Amino acid sequence: SQTIHQWPATLVQPVGSPLSLECTVEGTSNPNLYWYRQAAGRGLQLLFYSVGIGQISSEVPQNLSASRPQDRQFILSSKKLLLSDSGFYLCASHTRQGNTEAFFGQGTRLTVV
Amino acid sequence: QKEVEQDPGPLSVPEGAIVSLNCTYSNSAFQYFMWYRQYSRKGPELLMYTYSSGNKEDGRFTAQVDKSSKYISLFIRDSQPSDSATYLCAMRVSGYSTLTFGKGTMLLVSP
Repeated sequence: SQTIHQWPATLVQPVGSPLSLECTVEGTSNPNLYWYRQAAGRGLQLLFYSVGIGQISSEVPQNLSASRPQDRQFILSSKKLLLSDSGFYLCASHTRQGNTEAFFGQGTRLTVV
Repeated sequence: QKEVEQDPGPLSVPEGAIVSLNCTYSNSAFQYFMWYRQYSRKGPELLMYTYSSGNKEDGRFTAQVDKSSKYISLFIRDSQPSDSATYLCAMRVSGYSTLTFGKGTMLLVSP
């Protein structure tokens, strides 16, 4: 099965500072990759997904961007963080072949102060 | 109407109880159904994955899908305090990998 590595686990950043969260995947190749944000009581919000290197689809216009420089690497970035960017960020991977399930990383809790 | 509805709870039960968690959905194109368990401050962990109507059992967990009613359930037998977590249902359309999630139900099992 797949293993999703996410870091850091916890991050406190000031408003206006940049952000870079990294996600790497083991155990599969050519996966679909996803960034979700989870806010209390609001469920999982899909932010970005990628079906291949350099291919990014944005689901929600916002202060964030994503990049996929390698097949199993997915990066979430911001040039200037807002207070509203605080939340729990999750990376997920889904094997493209066949109808299979998605696996999640352990998440990054971001607090913007 | 939201695509997937799930009662947020919390649902409090005593140890040993049978727990029933449910989701309803409106999109009849959903073909694949999943249940994830999420402990506090952790990523969701896949519990059950099914794509047909009927029941699928795995240990103390049973996933039930009723496509005609657009209703899915997760049953937990002999619930344990370690089952205390938020349970998320998720589903997707065949040929598409994007998942649609319920908001999650918080379960509390007291010893």
